[in-house]
Amino acid sequence: EPEVTQTPSHQVTQMGQEVILRCVPISNHLYFYWYRQILGQKVEFLVSFYNNEISEKSEIFDDQFSVERPDGSNFTLKIRSTKLEDSAMYFCASKWGGPSNQPQHFGDGTRLSIL
Amino acid sequence: AQKITQTQPGMFVQEKEAVTLDCTYDTSDQSYGLFWYKQPSSGEMIFLIYQGSYDEQNATEGRYSLNFQKARKSANLVISASQLGDSAMYFCAMTHGTYKYIFGTGTRLKVLA
Repeated sequence: EPEVTQTPSHQVTQMGQEVILRCVPISNHLYFYWYRQILGQKVEFLVSFYNNEISEKSEIFDDQFSVERPDGSNFTLKIRSTKLEDSAMYFCASKWGGPSNQPQHFGDGTRLSIL
Repeated sequence: AQKITQTQPGMFVQEKEAVTLDCTYDTSDQSYGLFWYKQPSSGEMIFLIYQGSYDEQNATEGRYSLNFQKARKSANLVISASQLGDSAMYFCAMTHGTYKYIFGTGTRLKVLA
């Protein structure tokens, strides 16, 4: 069964450094999402992406964050200058189409640790 | 604004028994979807079951069923014949169309041998 792939599984970065989290969504999916989960807390929406542009973003997704789909397969989340509070599990998800009954398929996540 | 509430931070169930995990939601939309995901200790998010707001029948998927009460705005997950491998965090989520998921705070289920 096709799956969403995220790399790396764990990233350790110094505060202030840039980090790029990578995702390969399921190949025929059209809608892409990033979520984060701070340890022990609920999963929070960051951004959704469709037709090569951001369709919605949360308050968390400030100017330090950006997303792109450079080559039609990878979907990346960049954090320009990381802060301690960016430490979390980051999930990429993708969905085939618009109907509500289509579930989002999640990757296994990237655990980001900021030192 | 949409909101999901899961009031049970933790639940215990004896192996082979059934358990109900509660989820209530708030939305002004007429068309929406409700989803349940399982998150084992390894961290991945596994889709379990879906219920659409216009679905007249409660959704079922193997040992999982959804007790959907639209007037009460509740979408409780029922796991029948619990297994040790069901021990995990369970999240209820809501979405409207292609939009983001709104997640609840989750319920940690522990199945006892």
